[in-house]
Amino acid sequence: AQSVTQLDSQVPVFEEAPVELRCNYSSSVSVYLFWYVQYPNQGLQLLLKYTSAATLVKGINGFEAEFKKSETSFHLTKPSAHMSDAAEYFCAVSEGGGNKLTFGTGTQLKVEL
Amino acid sequence: GAVVSQHPSWVICKSGTSVKIECRSLDFQATTMFWYRQFPKQSLMLMATSNEGSKATYEQGVEKDKFLINHASLTLSTLTVTSAHPEDSSFYICSANVPPQDGYTFGSGTRLTVV
Repeated sequence: AQSVTQLDSQVPVFEEAPVELRCNYSSSVSVYLFWYVQYPNQGLQLLLKYTSAATLVKGINGFEAEFKKSETSFHLTKPSAHMSDAAEYFCAVSEGGGNKLTFGTGTQLKVEL
Repeated sequence: GAVVSQHPSWVICKSGTSVKIECRSLDFQATTMFWYRQFPKQSLMLMATSNEGSKATYEQGVEKDKFLINHASLTLSTLTVTSAHPEDSSFYICSANVPPQDGYTFGSGTRLTVV
């Protein structure tokens, strides 16, 4: 069975500081990996996805993530945080396209002045 | 881009009544939709997978008779919470897979409060 672990429930950063949100996955087959952002009382917006092409994936709003199979990781990074990046971030995995997504527990990114 | 429209955005209902939540794919055909439930400050938990023209597949522990799912067309899936109770209060979100990019588009969510 597939699973996702987001060890950090909350990550505080100063504005303009680099951001790293950690995600590790577990699966017995090839996976697709996703990062979503959620603002309060809203649905999820896709930041980026890995679907077995390039291991370094660039997304929207300056975010990127690197798929590392040997470490079973897909950490989300951004060189410089903005106040507007403060939100809840979810890592998710699916075993192939079209199959159900399994979400991590989420990481709240707090951006401070 | 592909859009999933979810309505209503929020609803308050009395205990014992039923509430219907709709999700429509606006510019693509969704043969499969996924229904999630999210408690405050928690992750999304998959409730069921809705398949057009056939019965939904429910996750373990989800009551089929309480959470009725209908996917009668390629653009509409509905979730009906029957005989709602305060413990059903939650944020419900639908999602659809958008081929061929293998991305998932989410509705904006429905905040259900049962009083």
